[in-house]
Amino acid sequence: GQQLNQSPQSMFIQEGEDVSMNCTSSSIFNTWLWYKQEPGEGPVLLIALYKAGELTSNGRLTAQFGITRKDSFLNISASIPSDVGIYFCAGQPSRTDKLIFGTGTRLQVFP
Amino acid sequence: EAQVTQNPRYLITVTGKKLTVTCSQNMNHEYMSWYRQDPGLGLRQIYYSMNVEVTDKGDVPEGYKVSRKEKRNFPLILESPSPNQTSLYFCASTPGLAGFSGANVLTFGAGSRLTVL
Repeated sequence: GQQLNQSPQSMFIQEGEDVSMNCTSSSIFNTWLWYKQEPGEGPVLLIALYKAGELTSNGRLTAQFGITRKDSFLNISASIPSDVGIYFCAGQPSRTDKLIFGTGTRLQVFP
Repeated sequence: EAQVTQNPRYLITVTGKKLTVTCSQNMNHEYMSWYRQDPGLGLRQIYYSMNVEVTDKGDVPEGYKVSRKEKRNFPLILESPSPNQTSLYFCASTPGLAGFSGANVLTFGAGSRLTVL
């Protein structure tokens, strides 16, 4: 099945640093979603994007729907220890009824 | 509280012993889906259901069955579990996948960790 290319696979950063991760696809997407999964829990939605070029913020998080509709990025500014978790992108390809997930970015934040 | 509830949360079983993981949502969502999560592979879709009595295969359906007799319930059945089905399983639901704002945002359960010996 189709998967999104999500990078990086993991990040080890110091508290206060900014973080950037992205997802790319070979096909056009209608929707991009960013989820965070904490240990022992299911993924929780952070940001949803529905239009090419759309830039949306949620507190210290900012995500953008790429203008080509084939990519998206998520930025976290001034990271804190509770940002630790696995971040997943998910996208809905055009003319499909599926959501496809990236392989995840594991974020570790050290005090 | 709006939620997706999975049971059991943890299960250790042996090869060949049939098991069912239940999933229930209280949001009147039409679309429900099962995923498995394995290290380095992210979330892979097993089966999904667009509505009652409508189910379809995802990317990794082999060895699994599902049913959707009621809107709120979407159980995952492993008729004869094997060790390669050891994984973390998630059920999720959404109002639909029409592509309009909010329609395709999945709400996930807390996960069911299955070990098959």
